[in-house]
Amino acid sequence: GESVGLHLPTLSVQEGDNSIINCAYSNSASDYFIWYKQESGKGPQFIIDIRSNMDKRQGQRVTVLLNKTVKHLSLQIAATQPGDSAVYFCAENRRGISSGSARQLTFGSGTQLTVLP
Amino acid sequence: DAGVIQSPRHEVTEMGQEVTLRCKPISGHNSLFWYRQTMMRGLELLIYFNNNVPIDDSGMPEDRFSAKMPNASFSTLKIQPSEPRDSAVYFCASSLGGTWNEKLFFGSGTQLSVL
Repeated sequence: GESVGLHLPTLSVQEGDNSIINCAYSNSASDYFIWYKQESGKGPQFIIDIRSNMDKRQGQRVTVLLNKTVKHLSLQIAATQPGDSAVYFCAENRRGISSGSARQLTFGSGTQLTVLP
Repeated sequence: DAGVIQSPRHEVTEMGQEVTLRCKPISGHNSLFWYRQTMMRGLELLIYFNNNVPIDDSGMPEDRFSAKMPNASFSTLKIQPSEPRDSAVYFCASSLGGTWNEKLFFGSGTQLSVL
């Protein structure tokens, strides 16, 4: 029978090309965002973060763009390499749903990036 | 520097058995988080601790799940009795803590299979 589960958005790019991974967040009160990379069999690994008082931040080969107006986040990877193949998650920092709970990271469903030789 | 250390890496057990997952956070980190990852639901926060005190356990699915943090360098997540639907990868993460709970560092996870 057909399996049921999360259908991760997928992105395939040619080695050496630039990649853009998009994320829509839900809470307008979120003011801190992180991108994580998860390789097969490993835990999520921090890539880059951005606060809501910024709209762009650059790291090594990666750039994060934040558009608060439309609640959209993107991760750009320059000169994509085979080692960049992974699932990429965006996470927003917002107050938990429980009364009195402190702020916590909430993860999106992820995007599978495949780098083609 | 050692990162977050989880054990075991893999656990296979039979339905009804007790399962205990272990985590050692990064030294100096004050917040510890337990997440569960499945294909159906993605990454879900189960519980988190700040300074060894449970702050938010609203993500714990049922009373069969319990978590403890007896000291700053050790935490356990226990499932008793385990059920096949508990099969998932369980991640522990730690952060410097405080109000913002930012920048989590994850362990390699425990792959749990309940038969």
